[in-house]
Amino acid sequence: DVKVTQSSRYLVKRTGEKVFLECVQDMDHENMFWYRQDPGLGLRLIYFSYDVKMKEKGDIPEGYSVSREKKERFSLILESASTNQTSMYLCASSRHYEQYFGPGTRLTVT
Amino acid sequence: DQQVKQNSPSLSVQEGRISILNCDYTNSMFDYFLWYKKYPAEGPTFLISISSIKDKNEDGRFTVFLNKSAKHLSLHIVPSQPGDSAVYFCASTTGANNLFFGTGTRLTVIP
Repeated sequence: DVKVTQSSRYLVKRTGEKVFLECVQDMDHENMFWYRQDPGLGLRLIYFSYDVKMKEKGDIPEGYSVSREKKERFSLILESASTNQTSMYLCASSRHYEQYFGPGTRLTVT
Repeated sequence: DQQVKQNSPSLSVQEGRISILNCDYTNSMFDYFLWYKKYPAEGPTFLISISSIKDKNEDGRFTVFLNKSAKHLSLHIVPSQPGDSAVYFCASTTGANNLFFGTGTRLTVIP
């Protein structure tokens, strides 16, 4: 079974803090993704990566950056957290079309 | 611009009856379609998919129908069970590896 793990289930940060969200997958998938899920807006793609050290902007990259130094690990970075980044963050990985998701991180920025 | 649309935010169905969840898309280049199910505080899990060369795919109680001319797909759940209560997302792709998701439909199955 594919396993995608995320470093935290719940996180509370203050405005202006730098926030790191970590994602690890154990199936040697080339592709990894970061989404945020908000009520009524579905899943919106923040960034994705097709290979180590490669990254591509998704639909809403502003205020975020990513890092992929190893194939199994994909990190999402909020350089200076703001209250409008309070959301559920979901990481996913895939080899082809089907994406496998982690459990999500509920981030609250106060 | 939302390329995949789920126009019904919620749906309630009696246990044992059929649940029909609908999804419309605008991009004629989409060639693969998927349905995901999401429980609260969990990540989405893959449910069923269909290629654009087919018009139906079945897996147990779940059937996905694709109408390419109408750019419409639907997920049928028969019979519906209380454990099916969740948010359902449809997703599509042009063959690249990223998916375009709809906004989701919350299904409630009433015992």
